[in-house]
This record gives sequence, C-alpha cells and structure tokens, in this order.
Amino acid sequence: DAKTTQPPSMDCAEGRAANLPCNHSTISGNEYVYWYRQIHSQGPQYIIHGLKNNETNEMASLIITEDRKSSTLILPHATLRDTAVYYCIAGNTGTASKLTFGTGTRLQVTL
Amino acid sequence: EAGVTQSPTHLIKTRGQQATLRCSPISGHTSVYWYQQALGLGLQFLLWYDEGEERNRGNFPPRFSGRQFPNYSSELNVNALELEDSALYLCASSDLGRSSYNEQFFGPGTRLTVL
Repeated sequence: DAKTTQPPSMDCAEGRAANLPCNHSTISGNEYVYWYRQIHSQGPQYIIHGLKNNETNEMASLIITEDRKSSTLILPHATLRDTAVYYCIAGNTGTASKLTFGTGTRLQVTL
Repeated sequence: EAGVTQSPTHLIKTRGQQATLRCSPISGHTSVYWYQQALGLGLQFLLWYDEGEERNRGNFPPRFSGRQFPNYSSELNVNALELEDSALYLCASSDLGRSSYNEQFFGPGTRLTVL
C-alpha cells in the first residue's frame, strides 16, 4: 500500500466545512483512496472511497487531484459528533486486501 | 442488518496465559480481518481470512493465530500473552466477492488487558 501523509490535528467550527488533506504521492494506478474515521474507542467507520473521480455520499465528498497524488475529504457542515480521528488510506483489493492505517488526523469540532 | 459483533467486550488475562477473541461478520460477508490497536498507536493489520483460509498475515509473531469457521465467523488466539499485547483488537468484515473495492465494516472491538 502507498504511504499516506496527513496533518496530525485540525480544528473546525461547528457548521463550517471541514477540509482534511491527505498526501499519497506514491499511489499506484490500481490503488483506491479510502477514508475511515474512528470516534474514541470505537471501531473505525467507513466514510468514502475513490479511484480518480471525485465522489460524494451522504457523509462527505472526496476530491482527488488529477495526478492522484493527493486528496481532500470534505465534511460540508461539521457537527460535534464529527470529532474523531480521520484516516486516509491508499490501498488495493485483491491478494493483499489489508488496510494500512497511518496515524490519521484528529479533527476537533468546536462550538 | 446486524453489524459485525465481537466478544467478549473486555478480557483480562495474566502474562503467559492464552486469550481467545471471537468475531461474527455481517451476514453474507466471507472475509474477516483482525487488527490490533495498542494505546496511542494506529491500527496494525494482523490477519485476513477468506472462505475459511488465511490469506494474509501482518508482521506479528506466530503466537498470534486464528481461524475462520464454515459460517464465516472467526476466532483470534493469542498464546503466551505478554504485557505489550494489551490493546483493542478490532475485527472487520467485507464481501470481496461482490465488491470491486475493499470496504471493511468494523466491530466495536475487544479490549484485552494483560497483567
């Protein structure tokens, strides 16, 4: 799996958009970008994934640069319940099939 | 739809003992993954089972082992427990057969404490 780099922490005011960056400059052509989050002491929760096109679901949007070397997860209207550690993962399906979690970004949403 | 379940929630053992952790995947999922999350550290991949076979293994000693049963539930065994085995053990499941990507659904975890 390609290595990912994320800022260790970010703050966001409630109601504002949270933009979480991720660098994955060594990503290979068949590796997806996944985002998960982990609320304190719970199991990680899948958020979104993408290959090269931007993606949106009910939780978030994922913007992937054209060269695929970086991406941004956007929570459009952050709430206090979005406070969590967010993990960006560049991973493959198939024979390996494991997810390599880095240290993630601790997002603190404040009033 | 029921999610991934794990038991027990908490487990306390002493050094040298054996621990057995259990996981039931989401109905229809054939792949089960085990991860270790030690305090203050990220999730480390332990094992991947699919269709009853071990498919991949992380960088852990052989005293970490497991199996997957015909109903796709799984068991993680840790022998000769050491203090540094104290961690949250997370199980995840996915359905690789119907999906072209690897979305994994995680359970709540088992917190193992080794005294």
